[in-house]
Amino acid sequence: DAGITQSPRHKVTETGTPVTLRCHQTENHRYMYWYRQDPGHGLRLIHYSYGVKDTDKGEVSDGYSVSRSKTEDFLLTLESATSSQTSVYFCAIKGQQNTEAFFGQGTRLTVV
Amino acid sequence: KQEVTQIPAALSVPEGENLVLNCSFTDSAIYNLQWFRQDPGKGLTSLLLIQSSQREQTSGRLNASLDKSSGRSTLYIAASQPGDSATYLCAVGDNYGQNFVFGPGTRLSVLP
Repeated sequence: DAGITQSPRHKVTETGTPVTLRCHQTENHRYMYWYRQDPGHGLRLIHYSYGVKDTDKGEVSDGYSVSRSKTEDFLLTLESATSSQTSVYFCAIKGQQNTEAFFGQGTRLTVV
Repeated sequence: KQEVTQIPAALSVPEGENLVLNCSFTDSAIYNLQWFRQDPGKGLTSLLLIQSSQREQTSGRLNASLDKSSGRSTLYIAASQPGDSATYLCAVGDNYGQNFVFGPGTRLSVLP
């Protein structure tokens, strides 16, 4: 699994509550990504990071924030979860820009 | 905006057949292209990465080709096996190779 751990693996939460997903890597890779995967939409980029405290928005960033205070951890926060954020969330890492990306096992989030 | 398509959406073949999966992209100014497989309920496993300067990459029974000018990549699987059954995704690297845009995937079933 290329040294990537996502936690939790499954979560059910109520609408309006804050939720934080964690991605932890042991590879010391520079780039980290959060994607969501939904039927009919495929994988879409939410946010990514190109270094500690360096982050940028992806295609579907509304309603999400991220933080990266150290190389190994990239946190995704849903400030106030909505049912439309029910999805499977994947973290990915990459060492350099033009290199292979590796994915975590995913977090299945259900917002009820 | 880069758009990635994959044809066919689903494919069912008998064991032992050679097969080709297709990936097309609209903007030929890519930095690389990566093929992944995804088993149900699992994360993505990297299969092959092709840099924009390369024409093909091989790993075991897999061969991926890239034709930037026509906006196409193919994944060739030789002597297919039931264990090859999975969804295959291609991802095009843009933004100087920082980010990937994913295709919707081809769901492959190899029948014993």
